Amino acid sequence: GAGVSQSPRYKVAKRGQDVALRCDPISGHVSLFWYQQALGQGPEFLTYFQNEAQLDKSGLPSDRFFAERPEGSVSTLKIQRTQQEDSAVYLCASSLGTANQPQHFGDGTRLSIL
Amino acid sequence: SQQGEEDPQALSIQEGENATMNCSYKTSINNLQWYRQNSGRGLVHLILIRSNEREKHSGRLRVTLDTSKKSSSLLITASRAADTASYFCAPPYGNKLVFGAGTILRVKS
Repeated sequence: GAGVSQSPRYKVAKRGQDVALRCDPISGHVSLFWYQQALGQGPEFLTYFQNEAQLDKSGLPSDRFFAERPEGSVSTLKIQRTQQEDSAVYLCASSLGTANQPQHFGDGTRLSIL
Repeated sequence: SQQGEEDPQALSIQEGENATMNCSYKTSINNLQWYRQNSGRGLVHLILIRSNEREKHSGRLRVTLDTSKKSSSLLITASRAADTASYFCAPPYGNKLVFGAGTILRVKS
């Protein structure tokens, strides 16, 4: 497609369940970023991939969060043993290069943990 | 941290008026980006200004950058109801962009 695609758009899970969020970046984009956005706040960086290499995961809040991009295109963000504080919108962005170039965002996955 | 901080937090204007939003940041940068976010949607890149540029225009948008004051401003001229959104500045920090809480702009028709 023409833009970054994320699925599902909405996800409701019970506390303790595992969830997986998918991101399809723009074809040919080397860099892929995951952000977490709480209500009324700006996006907070979680992790960054350059092709299949995860170069920065400093923003992942705990070891329950895991991201992968095995073939350098589609990426999955997995959250294990979800907690209520994980409720947020998870945004994916891709770009041709690093943070010095414009990022193209998907519309996000709104995750609600009950 | 390098987080961009936008000011004001919220701005409400009439259609046709100009809207000005400001951004401050802490460390040296080689560029700064501005993004818009409509409710329930992802962020949309508006403009990137490099550290050697003082001003940049894109349609009804004008961005300024003052590296000595570590500040930037975004001016939207002749605002429209469709400009209603949250606006974020994003200075880069290493490999990533660092967003503040944004300015919520409401344009009343």
